[in-house]
Amino acid sequence: DVKVTQSSRYLVKRTGEKVFLECVQDMDHENMFWYRQDPGLGLRLIYFSYDVKMKEKGDIPEGYSVSREKKERFSLILESASTNQTSMYLCASSFRDMNTEAFFGQGTRLTVV
Amino acid sequence: AQSVTQPDIHITVSEGASLELRCNYSYGATPYLFWYVQSPGQGLQLLLKYFSGDTLVQGIKGFEAEFKRSQSSFNLRKPSVHWSDAAEYFCAVGVYNQGGKLIFGQGTELSVKP
Repeated sequence: DVKVTQSSRYLVKRTGEKVFLECVQDMDHENMFWYRQDPGLGLRLIYFSYDVKMKEKGDIPEGYSVSREKKERFSLILESASTNQTSMYLCASSFRDMNTEAFFGQGTRLTVV
Repeated sequence: AQSVTQPDIHITVSEGASLELRCNYSYGATPYLFWYVQSPGQGLQLLLKYFSGDTLVQGIKGFEAEFKRSQSSFNLRKPSVHWSDAAEYFCAVGVYNQGGKLIFGQGTELSVKP
């Protein structure tokens, strides 16, 4: 069974903290993605990676960075968390060929206080 | 720029009634199109996808979608809705750019009345 695993379901962090969200996939996928989900705004792409150490900015990269040192792991980093980064974060992965689906993790609900 | 629009934020239908969720996309090339469903507290699950060929595609759970190039639309349909279909539905377009990425619409929340 395919699996995308996000390290935490719920996180509460303080303003100014550095926050790491981890995502691991076991399907040998080339592509990995981080999305942010907010009511009425759908899923917005923060960053994606199409290969190890490669990354591309999505639509809302400001305030975030990513790391992909191994093919199966893609980390999202909030350098200095702010309250407007309170949201649901979804990780996904897929093969490079768009003729396949993306698989999603369960999501991490982050609250910044 | 590529984009996806789902004009209906929230739809309520009665159980047993038919359903159509609208999706319009903007993309210069032949699109790869997807519908995903997200049940409460769950991740996203693929319902169906379109890449080429027959413009009417069948998916899981009795859903189907029709690709209309002239209208830039990919509407999702189901002839008879069940209470378990209550969820949020997302339309997405796949974009090739050094690999592929998915651009999502805003989502449509479906409520089902008994």
